[in-house]
Amino acid sequence: QKEVEQDPGPLSVPEGAIVSLNCTYSNSAFQYFMWYRQYSRKGPELLMYTYSSGNKEDGRFTAQVDKSSKYISLFIRDSQPSDSATYLCAMTPSGGSYIPTFGRGTSLIVHP
Amino acid sequence: SQTIHQWPATLVQPVGSPLSLECTVEGTSNPNLYWYRQAAGRGLQLLFYSVGIGQISSEVPQNLSASRPQDRQFILSSKKLLLSDSGFYLCAWSLVAGGLTDTQYFGPGTRLTVL
Repeated sequence: QKEVEQDPGPLSVPEGAIVSLNCTYSNSAFQYFMWYRQYSRKGPELLMYTYSSGNKEDGRFTAQVDKSSKYISLFIRDSQPSDSATYLCAMTPSGGSYIPTFGRGTSLIVHP
Repeated sequence: SQTIHQWPATLVQPVGSPLSLECTVEGTSNPNLYWYRQAAGRGLQLLFYSVGIGQISSEVPQNLSASRPQDRQFILSSKKLLLSDSGFYLCAWSLVAGGLTDTQYFGPGTRLTVL
């Protein structure tokens, strides 16, 4: 079992839809959770960063962490064609190694 | 603000040729630096990381090597490329601040095709 599981998709939605992207993980030591967006042929860019459980909102994006279920989500409201990209989750434990463990990414396609 | 540069952006090399990819970071000091490879349809594979000048840790045994000759410069090299070295190479940097974990920031990447 991989430490971080992420459905590769592609996930295809119409413009304006609410998108839910998810990752599950097995290491209960993970405390810091990140979401990256990667456009085709570009480097990943950090979207959101959260610590421990709870929600964090930034514009149309909401990151949610449920540590009891070892499940994290990224919600995109009012999705736009410009949101079409691959979304990678990443996480690290508190203390010890600071190198994130990445999911393989979910490809999102928002069609007009 | 911090910026990270990688070059070249695209590279096509024959099998058996040498490789040198360069990464530089501006606007910060003593960053942690990382080399990743991202093969088509696959996740990020950590190749090397460095916590300081001359300090390199290798994550995957292979025909690649890395060096950090200056604080904000990270170089990925190979003496003889293999077909399997094709991929998208990403450099990243991070800082550890106040006990918080690193958040990695990525460069634009180098797309390497070995023919």
